[in-house]
Amino acid sequence: DQQVKQNSPSLSVQEGRISILNCDYTNSMFDYFLWYKKYPAEGPTFLISISSIKDKNEDGRFTVFLNKSAKHLSLHIVPSQPGDSAVYFCAALGAGNMLTFGGGTRLMVKP
Amino acid sequence: DAMVIQNPRYQVTQFGKPVTLSCSQTLNHNVMYWYQQKSSQAPKLLFHYYDKDFNNEADTPDNFQSRRPNTSFCFLDIRSPGLGDAAMYLCATSREGGSLANYGYTFGSGTRLTVV
Repeated sequence: DQQVKQNSPSLSVQEGRISILNCDYTNSMFDYFLWYKKYPAEGPTFLISISSIKDKNEDGRFTVFLNKSAKHLSLHIVPSQPGDSAVYFCAALGAGNMLTFGGGTRLMVKP
Repeated sequence: DAMVIQNPRYQVTQFGKPVTLSCSQTLNHNVMYWYQQKSSQAPKLLFHYYDKDFNNEADTPDNFQSRRPNTSFCFLDIRSPGLGDAAMYLCATSREGGSLANYGYTFGSGTRLTVV
């Protein structure tokens, strides 16, 4: 049973526009949510996180929104740049400090 | 730079031939993890070490073993690789009491295993 789901396997966006990546979860006990970015042939790198008691966290071009009632979070990238093209993983931090990952969304930003 | 290093980056092994993947870290993190990631799927936790304490996930096959001889090194042993074990294997570290919520785990670049 997947506790963290990313229902869109891929997303294509024009450079300069907004990219919105979505993530849904089922476990209401998750404490934090994190987004990771992964380039081909590299390991995932941390991007941004949000506490379960907040509804928004912003870091430069990246903003994560959390809707607890809907058990949904989203990552907004504005403006999108070609270098943002990568696979983005949503992850949730729960009991025992274990991370549970979603299946990832491949973002392609076209020049 | 402090980091997590996985060797080799690419590994080809024969069906049924034991193979070992290695991970080293210079972060002095006390927790180390091994994940298996197949194409277009979520990374799946195989096991983790909390210091020297080994924690196996319930659904990790017995074919997968691990060793952590010291803080810096951790090995993943696949005793009899099958075709279904072809995947990217990711090593990650974290520190108890650290800003896990702010920075998550630190991952290595992974080892892509091919079974022929």
